[in-house]
Amino acid sequence: LAKTTQPISMDSYEGQEVNITCSHNNIATNDYITWYQQFPSQGPRFIIQGYKTKVTNEVASLFIPADRKSSTLSLPRVSLSDTAVYYCLVGAPNRDDKIIFGKGTRLHILP
Amino acid sequence: GAGVSQSPSNKVTEKGKDVELRCDPISGHTALYWYRQSLGQGLEFLIYFQGNSAPDKSGLPSDRFSAERTGGSVSTLTIQRTQQEDSAVYLCASSLAGTGYTGELFFGEGSRLTVL
Repeated sequence: LAKTTQPISMDSYEGQEVNITCSHNNIATNDYITWYQQFPSQGPRFIIQGYKTKVTNEVASLFIPADRKSSTLSLPRVSLSDTAVYYCLVGAPNRDDKIIFGKGTRLHILP
Repeated sequence: GAGVSQSPSNKVTEKGKDVELRCDPISGHTALYWYRQSLGQGLEFLIYFQGNSAPDKSGLPSDRFSAERTGGSVSTLTIQRTQQEDSAVYLCASSLAGTGYTGELFFGEGSRLTVL
């Protein structure tokens, strides 16, 4: 499994755009990039997944450069309720293997 | 229910007692995972079940921990002779595929274990 590196913590203010970058230098050809969000006292939930270029949904955008060695999760106009831990995972589809979570990025939104 | 169900939501036990934690995955999901999360920490992988294959137990921290999955559905995580360091939230997740990378991992709300 490709190892990922992301900042331990970030602070931002309400209304700002927040970008969290994840490095995955050893990403394999078949690997996808997936982000999960975990609120306090809850299990993580899937927020976005991509393979290359840009993916956007109602929650976030995911930017993946051509070399795919990193990816950036972008949260537009954050609110206090976006305070959570964000996990970046990399892995291949249809691969029968365990899924390992890293330590994630603890995002704290300030008023 | 529509989601992953875990019970009990909270369990307080005395050191040395055995505990059982239950996970009821989403119907039809072939993969089931157990993770442990200590206060303020990330998710620690414990065990992974996929269909009828032998489970991946590589994350179990000691032989006091065991898990089974009956009939490809409900799973039970058992901790024998609990220790204070076992105190954590135990999270269960299920997914349709073996990897979850093209699908989603669906997590339960967790079972909070406190060992006194």
